Amino acid sequence: DGGITQSPKYLFRKEGQNVTLSCEQNLNHDAMYWYRQDPGQGLRLIYYSQIVNDFQKGDIAEGYSVSREKKESFPLTVTSAQKNPTAFYLCASSIAGLTYNEQFFGPGTRLTVL
Amino acid sequence: RKEVEQDPGPFNVPEGATVAFNCTYSNSASQSFFWYRQDCRKEPKLLMSVYSSGNEDGRFTAQLNRASQYISLLIRDSKLSDSATYLCVVMKTSYDKVIFGPGTSLSVIP
Repeated sequence: DGGITQSPKYLFRKEGQNVTLSCEQNLNHDAMYWYRQDPGQGLRLIYYSQIVNDFQKGDIAEGYSVSREKKESFPLTVTSAQKNPTAFYLCASSIAGLTYNEQFFGPGTRLTVL
Repeated sequence: RKEVEQDPGPFNVPEGATVAFNCTYSNSASQSFFWYRQDCRKEPKLLMSVYSSGNEDGRFTAQLNRASQYISLLIRDSKLSDSATYLCVVMKTSYDKVIFGPGTSLSVIP
């Protein structure tokens, strides 16, 4: 089955620790995205990548870092510099370059920083 | 002004009702428009794309008004299973970031 996987589903960390969220897709999509969603809020873009070894900051990139060494993988690191890291993190992918390109989402990771 | 704004909701409607959601966007250069559906504590999923000519998919109708920079979603004969948050999504070009609206919550009541 093609799709996007995110792991783990729930993650607990102590304040001050860096944590890396996994995102893998086997849809052969060029573009990948990371979003953050807070309770009762919409999705806010953290980082996106249209091609391997290249990525751009979204609206709330501060305190986060990403890498795109492989087409299938786009891990997100939440660093200790992120002031309020507790949130629902969603990874998505899409075909790049189409006017109407559906974004496919993974099931998300709920991060709680204690 | 936010780039994409939606009716704040929540909308509470009885089964069988018709309900309409509105969305406005600020960037006139936007080219692509979508409605996504997000169930509680789940990931968003594409409901339908919104084309210039308007489009319909069963009980769902989407309209685009470029002059007013406005998108709408109409749901006819509401079902309990339609209860979800509906997200308006706008994209400027195919290589640009995608912008999600804050969402409008719908509860269909028996």
